Amino acid sequence: EAQVTQNPRYLITVTGKKLTVTCSQNMNHEYMSWYRQDPGLGLRQIYYSMNVEVTDKGDVPEGYKVSRKEKRNFPLILESPSPNQTSLYFCASSLGEPGESPLHFGNGTRLTVT
Amino acid sequence: DQQVKQNSPSLSVQEGRISILNCDYTNSMFDYFLWYKKYPAEGPTFLISISSIKDKNEDGRFTVFLNKSAKHLSLHIVPSQPGDSAVYFCAASAIDRGSTLGRLYFGRGTQLTVWP
Repeated sequence: EAQVTQNPRYLITVTGKKLTVTCSQNMNHEYMSWYRQDPGLGLRQIYYSMNVEVTDKGDVPEGYKVSRKEKRNFPLILESPSPNQTSLYFCASSLGEPGESPLHFGNGTRLTVT
Repeated sequence: DQQVKQNSPSLSVQEGRISILNCDYTNSMFDYFLWYKKYPAEGPTFLISISSIKDKNEDGRFTVFLNKSAKHLSLHIVPSQPGDSAVYFCAASAIDRGSTLGRLYFGRGTQLTVWP
C-alpha cells in the first residue's frame, strides 16, 4: 500500500531533550516536506526537500533540522525542544512539485514538550 | 504575512444543500491551487485542484472555481453529505518560480459541518 509513515504518533518529552520524528514513503517520491498544524494557524511549512541531499527552509524552520540522505526518508530533528514546539506535525511527499503533484500526508505526530 | 486566506473558520450546511468554501490569495504568481480535506486523527488528503489557465474544474460532487482577477477561489460541494464534515484547506503554489520553488502555502482551514 502506497503510504507515508510517521513515527511516533504521540510523543511527550521535556524541554531540551533531543528527539527525532521519522518519516518514510514507499512511493519513490522526489519531494518531501514537514508541516506543523496549530489551532487557528493552519498548516505551516517547516522544511522541504526537492530531492536527495537537497533541503530548504519553509515558513517556520527555527528550532528544527532535517536531512535527506535517502529518497524514502526525511526525519525531523529537534535538537533542543521547547514548549512552543508543542504541535501536530505532518510529513508529506509528492512525485514532483507540490502544486502540480498532490501531496500525500502521513497521519501525524502529536508532540508535547513540557 | 499569509498569502492564502480562508476567512471563514466554520460553515454549517444541511445535508443535500450546497456547501461553498471560499479562499483568497495575495500572490499573483500562484499558478496551481488545491483543496485538501482533513478528518480528525488523520492527515490531510487531496481533494481537487485547478491550474491558473482554467476557471473551473469538476470532479463528481466537487467543483472548484477560480477567479484570477479577484484572486479568489471557491469549492462547491453539491449535494453535501454528512461524511463531508471535515476541515478543508485551500493551498497554492507557484511552479518553478525562484524563491517559491517547492513551496506550498496553506490557508488556515474551514471546518465544514453537514447536518442531517
